[in-house]
Amino acid sequence: GQQVMQIPQYQHVQEGEDFTTYCNSSTTLSNIQWYKQRPGGHPVFLIQLVKSGEVKKQKRLTFQFGEAKKNSSLHITATQTTDVGTYFCAGPLSNFGNEKLTFGTGTRLTIIP
Amino acid sequence: DAGITQSPRYKITETGRQVTLMCHQTWSHSYMFWYRQDLGHGLRLIYYSAAADITDKGEVSDGYVVSRSKTENFPLTLESATRSQTSVYFCASSVVGTDFEAFFGQGTRLTVV
Repeated sequence: GQQVMQIPQYQHVQEGEDFTTYCNSSTTLSNIQWYKQRPGGHPVFLIQLVKSGEVKKQKRLTFQFGEAKKNSSLHITATQTTDVGTYFCAGPLSNFGNEKLTFGTGTRLTIIP
Repeated sequence: DAGITQSPRYKITETGRQVTLMCHQTWSHSYMFWYRQDLGHGLRLIYYSAAADITDKGEVSDGYVVSRSKTENFPLTLESATRSQTSVYFCASSVVGTDFEAFFGQGTRLTVV
């Protein structure tokens, strides 16, 4: 079945360093979403990418959607302690509807002060 | 987000018992979902509903039952709880016409002993 893989599973960085997580799908995605989950919290929507090669920025966060629409990345510049959490990518479960999201396994980011 | 609430937040139950997790949303979102979150597996879709009286299985639906008689409620029932169903359960909702951004509840931590 369709799978969404995410790497790395864990990432420890010094505060101020950059961080990147990668998301890969076994099939072409119509769109991809990114979520952040703080420790003990619930996933919160960050952004959606729809177009091939699309790049979107939110302050220190840069999101990219691959040309083939099978991979995506999230890059955080100069991490801060507020960036701690698990970052998930999510794509539609099937080509017949965008509403059923398959989530990646997530990348847990910890910051060393 | 106050718009989608789950209850209870914590539950301990015994193997073989039936348990129901409640989910209520105040936005009148058409789509509602149940996910379970386990370490190393990310978020896995259990069931989803496109509207009242319309439900469909996700990737890990065995042992679970859902109903949706009203748009705002989407209870999840474990018919005969097993230890493998110990998990954190998240309810989410989204609405057609947007980016299908999913709004998550606070989660229910279920322990089956």
